[in-house]
Amino acid sequence: EPEVTQTPSHQVTQMGQEVILRCVPISNHLYFYWYRQILGQKVEFLVSFYNNEISEKSEIFDDQFSVERPDGSNFTLKIRSTKLEDSAMYFCASNGPFTDTQYFGPGTRLTVL
Amino acid sequence: AQSVTQLDSHVSVSEGTPVLLRCNYSSSYSPSLFWYVQHPNKGLQLLLKYTSAATLVKGINGFEAEFKKSETSFHLTKPSAHMSDAAEYFCVVSDSSYKLIFGSGTRLLVRP
Repeated sequence: EPEVTQTPSHQVTQMGQEVILRCVPISNHLYFYWYRQILGQKVEFLVSFYNNEISEKSEIFDDQFSVERPDGSNFTLKIRSTKLEDSAMYFCASNGPFTDTQYFGPGTRLTVL
Repeated sequence: AQSVTQLDSHVSVSEGTPVLLRCNYSSSYSPSLFWYVQHPNKGLQLLLKYTSAATLVKGINGFEAEFKKSETSFHLTKPSAHMSDAAEYFCVVSDSSYKLIFGSGTRLLVRP
């Protein structure tokens, strides 16, 4: 069964460093998303992406964040200068056309020291 | 705006007894509603989805949920809990732009 994959599973970084989180969505899906879950809190929407551009972004998704689909398979989230409060689990999700059912990857746990 | 409220942050049941996880939603139109499960240190797995075809939705692992428009509820149930059901459960609504709005989660504990 096809699934969303994410790398790395864990990332530890120093405050102020750039990180790139990678996702490979399900191959025939067209809509891509990033969510995050700070420890002990709700899962929060960050950004949605369709047709090579951002469809919607939340207030959390400020200028420090960017997304890209550099080739036909990868979908990346970049944080330019990490802050302590960026420590969270980051989930990638995707869905195909004509459905709003999103399938999630296993997540990347980001720890900013 | 769409929102979901999960009424219990923790639910504890004995193995073999029924499970009830409560969720109320708010939506200005007929919503898509989901339940996702998150096992410890794992990702989010889709349990089931309501779209309007049927008010009683059956999901994986014996779970089901009933959509009640008059009560704006979408409670998750299972007749008999298993130890492997211990996890965090999220009630989720999809808004008009397809982004998902999560409830705060209910942690299900299953006692032997």
